[in-house]
Order: sequence, then C-alpha cells, then structure tokens
Amino acid sequence: NAGVTQTPKFRILKIGQSMTLQCTQDMNHNYMYWYRQDPGMGLKLIYYSVGAGITDKGEVPNGYNVSRSTTEDFPLRLELAAPSQTSVYFCASKTGTDTQYFGPGTRLTVL
Amino acid sequence: GENVEQHPSTLSVQEGDSAVIKCTYSDSASNYFPWYKQELGKRPQLIIDIRSNVGEKKDQRIAVTLNKTAKHFSLHITETQPEDSAVYFCAASNGGSQGNLIFGKGTKLSVKP
Repeated sequence: NAGVTQTPKFRILKIGQSMTLQCTQDMNHNYMYWYRQDPGMGLKLIYYSVGAGITDKGEVPNGYNVSRSTTEDFPLRLELAAPSQTSVYFCASKTGTDTQYFGPGTRLTVL
Repeated sequence: GENVEQHPSTLSVQEGDSAVIKCTYSDSASNYFPWYKQELGKRPQLIIDIRSNVGEKKDQRIAVTLNKTAKHFSLHITETQPEDSAVYFCAASNGGSQGNLIFGKGTKLSVKP
C-alpha cells in the first residue's frame, strides 16, 4: 500500500490564482481530513469527510473548498489564492479507529 | 469547543536524559489522546496514543500518562538519543463519528550529544 499520497509536493502561486491540491489513499479509509500547518503552529483542520459524498467544515475553512466523489480521493481547492494561505498542507485518513495517517504534505507559497 | 495547550514550546536535553512534554485539554468529553513526532520537512507520525479508560501506556522508551480529573496528559521519553530530536505534537479527540483531532502547538525537542 502507498498509504496517503499528495500532489504536488511544492507549488508557488500568484495572488488570485486557483489550484487544486490532490490527496489519495489506498487503505479504503472512510474518514479523510485536510490540515494546514503554519510555522511554529500545530495543525489546523480545514475540512473533513466521513465518506464519499459527505464533507464538512473544520476550524479554518474560509478560502477553501473540497469534494469527495470517491472513497480514495479528497481534493482541496483554493479559488482565489491569498498570501495568508501560504502554508504546508497535510491530508490524513483513518478508519473507524482513531489513528490518523498523514500524507507527505504540499508546501504552498502565495506571492 | 476543545482547546489543547502544550508546554514547553522548546526543550533541550543532554543525550541520555529524560524529556517530559505536557498538554492540557478543555473538553471533558475528549477520550483519545495521540502524540505525533514530526521531523523537519516530514509528515507527522504517530508515536503513541492513549484512551481515557487507561491511565498510562508505555512503548519501550516512550510513555504517556493521562489524568482525566485534571484534564492533562504527558509524554515521557527516557534515555533520549539525538534521533529523538524533532517537533512533538499532542492532540485530543472526543471520538464520535468524526473523531476530529485538536492539536497543541508543538514542542521542539533538541537532544544534544
């Protein structure tokens, strides 16, 4: 199993551009999560999903959108990139147990 | 909602010494408390977790203790080694259908050889 994979690894965006961060897991996990991690801070939950077709907001959802059309994929969309969205983004997944497994992260810079 | 406070923010120890990191949580309904280790530029990785029906859990040099009454839990690393140097995050979850984790801000542990 590859576990949780994320693409791209790095990206630089200009203010106002849009992009999609991809997240895929091959563990048949129902629950998937998107976090952002700012320097010196813990992880903040952006959006989560408890299964295909179901998504909900986390602590910091403004400026982001998600969809969950399949169990495997949980893309995160930035519509109008702003400098405040410069961060490292982690995707995670889990089954019914509580252990969350993280992907390798996407480092995003908005200039 | 849940709030998790973590102390200290930085910790420097000599190789072979013990390290202790403490977290407090606010939501008495929280029942799952994982600890993650994050090396520079890498993903967070689970190192140990504890559930509210247990007071202590040990895995080789790592142990976690939980005091539900005081709403705090701690990570203990004994016989520290340079490869223990990393940022450690505590988190709390109230389980339920989402099991969302609320993270502390992290502790940067440096182990000096």
